[in-house]
Amino acid sequence: AAGVIQSPRHLIKEKRETATLKCYPIPRHDTVYWYQQGPGQDPQFLISFYEKMQSDKGSIPDRFSAQQFSDYHSELNMSSLELGDSALYFCASSSPGTGGTEAFFGQGTRLTVV
Amino acid sequence: SQQGEEDPQALSIQEGENATMNCSYKTSINNLQWYRQNSGRGLVHLILIRSNEREKHSGRLRVTLDTSKKSSSLLITASRAADTASYFCATVPEDNYGQNFVFGPGTRLSVLP
Repeated sequence: AAGVIQSPRHLIKEKRETATLKCYPIPRHDTVYWYQQGPGQDPQFLISFYEKMQSDKGSIPDRFSAQQFSDYHSELNMSSLELGDSALYFCASSSPGTGGTEAFFGQGTRLTVV
Repeated sequence: SQQGEEDPQALSIQEGENATMNCSYKTSINNLQWYRQNSGRGLVHLILIRSNEREKHSGRLRVTLDTSKKSSSLLITASRAADTASYFCATVPEDNYGQNFVFGPGTRLSVLP
């Protein structure tokens, strides 16, 4: 079965550079979530989109922006990268339903800022 | 503060033993989900339990939910070395309705052969 696809899997950037992470949700899923997981930390919610509109916002720095496109894929843009941005970035998708939803996560993009 | 907090933070057992991990949360929830994460890899959904459910089974997994105590437990029976991973609980707050999953810090389970 198709899963959530994230690209790239690994990314190395220098401080102050820009990075773009991509997420392709499971077909027919209309909600996308982005999470950041630092070393040894739990995943922290960044931002989510439903039907191409931002639906919720968590602890996302102003240097980061994201959007969901007409084909439902999403991109997380990160500018002025800092060493502390080094983390595993997860994308998840779900299809809303009564009683809550189950999120399916991608394998993540490991970003290393040097 | 964390919505979900796992207990214990690390657990080491022998293959064949049962492993119990607990999760506490602070606000009313819509549902609670357990995920597994192998080192540095993606999160794998294990089981979802809704706020009106008390217990759920899936294979060797048993999840309980006590909304009066705002806690959940994940029991893995007859553990295997392949169960070695970090386990996270994630809650969907009642007023979020699936828009935001709040993760706890996770329990690192080591199953020794």
